[in-house]
Amino acid sequence: GENVEQHPSTLSVQEGDSAVIKCTYSDSASNYFPWYKQELGKRPQLIIDIRSNVGEKKDQRIAVTLNKTAKHFSLHITETQPEDSAVYFCAATQNFNKFYFGSGTKLNVKP
Amino acid sequence: GAGVSQSPSNKVTEKGKDVELRCDPISGHTALYWYRQSLGQGLEFLIYFQGNSAPDKSGLPSDRFSAERTGGSVSTLTIQRTQQEDSAVYLCASRATGAVGSYEQYFGPGTRLTVT
Repeated sequence: GENVEQHPSTLSVQEGDSAVIKCTYSDSASNYFPWYKQELGKRPQLIIDIRSNVGEKKDQRIAVTLNKTAKHFSLHITETQPEDSAVYFCAATQNFNKFYFGSGTKLNVKP
Repeated sequence: GAGVSQSPSNKVTEKGKDVELRCDPISGHTALYWYRQSLGQGLEFLIYFQGNSAPDKSGLPSDRFSAERTGGSVSTLTIQRTQQEDSAVYLCASRATGAVGSYEQYFGPGTRLTVT
């Protein structure tokens, strides 16, 4: 089955700096890669996603890049703000039956 | 409209007891997922329902775990003879299918299960 690894497990940045979180996956058949943000005590919420026929996608301060050859994808957050502090999860799926999640990255944005 | 709801929000049970966790998906969503999230960990897939198809149970960790979905809507996750290692937050998610761009899973608030 698919195996998704996520790094780093914790990330601390100064407000205004950029943050990058990386995930690798093992199954080349995976074709959809969402990123979720989970604030403390709350449910995960989708923030951005990418399909395998696209190399990059942007939504304001958030972007995701996908390298199918290397089987890795990354979340980029620019101009970080304190409200970006949360745990971020990546995931991968081939057919939407199963989503394989990374172990999460705790992002701390220091004001 | 209403989002995904789960009940109870918290459940404390003694080792060996059975528990039932409930999920009410968003109306019209045909896909429903159960996940387990242990403290500080990622989401572990448990089971997936899609319409009237046979569920994908490949993530259930043991035969003490079972789930059903009645009428294509409400789902119940049952854990029999609970063990302390079952303590976790159990999350349910639903997803619309058949529509363009219907990829997003909408999560419920979770049920925090504590087995003493």
